Formats: sequence, structure tokens, C-alpha cells
Amino acid sequence: DTAVSQTPKYLVTQMGNDKSIKCEQNLGHDTMYWYKQDSKKFLKIMFSYNNKELIINETVPNRFSPKSPDKAHLNLHINSLELGDSAVYFCASSGMFAGNTEAFFGQGTRLTVV
Amino acid sequence: SQQGEEDPQALSIQEGENATMNCSYKTSINNLQWYRQNSGRGLVHLILIRSNEREKHSGRLRVTLDTSKKSSSLLITASRAADTASYFCATALNSGNTPLVFGKGTRLSVIA
Repeated sequence: DTAVSQTPKYLVTQMGNDKSIKCEQNLGHDTMYWYKQDSKKFLKIMFSYNNKELIINETVPNRFSPKSPDKAHLNLHINSLELGDSAVYFCASSGMFAGNTEAFFGQGTRLTVV
Repeated sequence: SQQGEEDPQALSIQEGENATMNCSYKTSINNLQWYRQNSGRGLVHLILIRSNEREKHSGRLRVTLDTSKKSSSLLITASRAADTASYFCATALNSGNTPLVFGKGTRLSVIA
């Protein structure tokens, strides 16, 4: 069973469209994250949620809106997609906040905006 | 903001050789973790070392931490072609509820 699963794996869309990426974890973790990995492989935190509540929102355009319907799910909705949004987006979860335990990552969603 | 910096950016070695990657960071940490990322895949946790530890082993992996120099190293002994991947250090800061902050990674190529 996949611990952290995100869908879709690949997403190709046109500029200006709205898209969503879904993430689910079956590890019983309280904390979930979205990271963005750019073309140079740099991983940057976007959002952190703890028990469905937004804890951290790093300097991310408000076109990006996370939604956590329950602590096992953290979805990412992106409005008015731009070319610069092209990247790989990773969902992750951990059992204790502040990084005191390891983080488990999904396989990533490669978003290409054309 | 970026916390960790891995060095070197890329490393190419022969199978059977040892590979050493370094990570430097800027602020006080609670722990430091190393992750591996195979091409096109997600990150996989390798090892966690706490700020009060100096060395940790896991199989062919050896991690050291020097908090006075704000640096860590990852040693992979007797490398295999399957070790080819990108390796990232990630730091967990002392300051309250903060997520892991990743460096830019070291791309390791192990040639059979």
C-alpha cells in the first residue's frame, strides 16, 4: 500500500486554466506538506497543515489554495496557471511537527503549463 | 529561505568506491536528515541525526554532524550502481513549528 499517494502523476495544461492535485496519506500522520521542486531540483516548502489547520504558508501566490478536508488529505488547487508554475509538486506527511520524525513523500506531480 | 547547501553538486564514482557528500546549514537545528531521490520519484528518508549526536550509522551509510561548524556529511561505502540518485540534506529548525528545509542536493552517479 502506498503511504502517501498523489494524483495525477503528470498534468499538462494551458496557461490560465485551473487545476487541482490530490494527496492522501494512510499513515495516520497529523501533519502534511506541499513542496515545489523546480527544474534545478531545489525543493521549497509551500504549505504545512497540522490536523487540518494551516500552519505555514510560505510566500506563495494566492492563486495556490490548499484544502484539507480531513487530516489524511491535503489537496492543492491552483487558479489561473502561469508558465512559471511548471514544476514537480510533492506532497509529504510526518507524524510529529517540527521535523522531529521523518517525512514521507508522494511520488510527485509533474505540472507542465504550456 | 534555503537552509542547507550540499557539496559537491555532482559526484561520479566507480562501483565499489566510497561516496562522501557534505551539507552546510546556517541556523541552529533540532535535527538533520538525509534523503535520496531517484530520477522521477519522490524523496525517501535515509537517516536522521539529532543535534546532540555526532555520528550515526545505517547499513552502508554513515552520517556525521558537527554543530559547531554547522555541517554534516553522508558517507556511502562500497557504492553500487543502484545508489545512483540525488541526495538531499534537510534541517529541522529549533524555532517552533517549522517544516523540513532542504538543500539543493548532490547528484551521485555510480558507474558499474
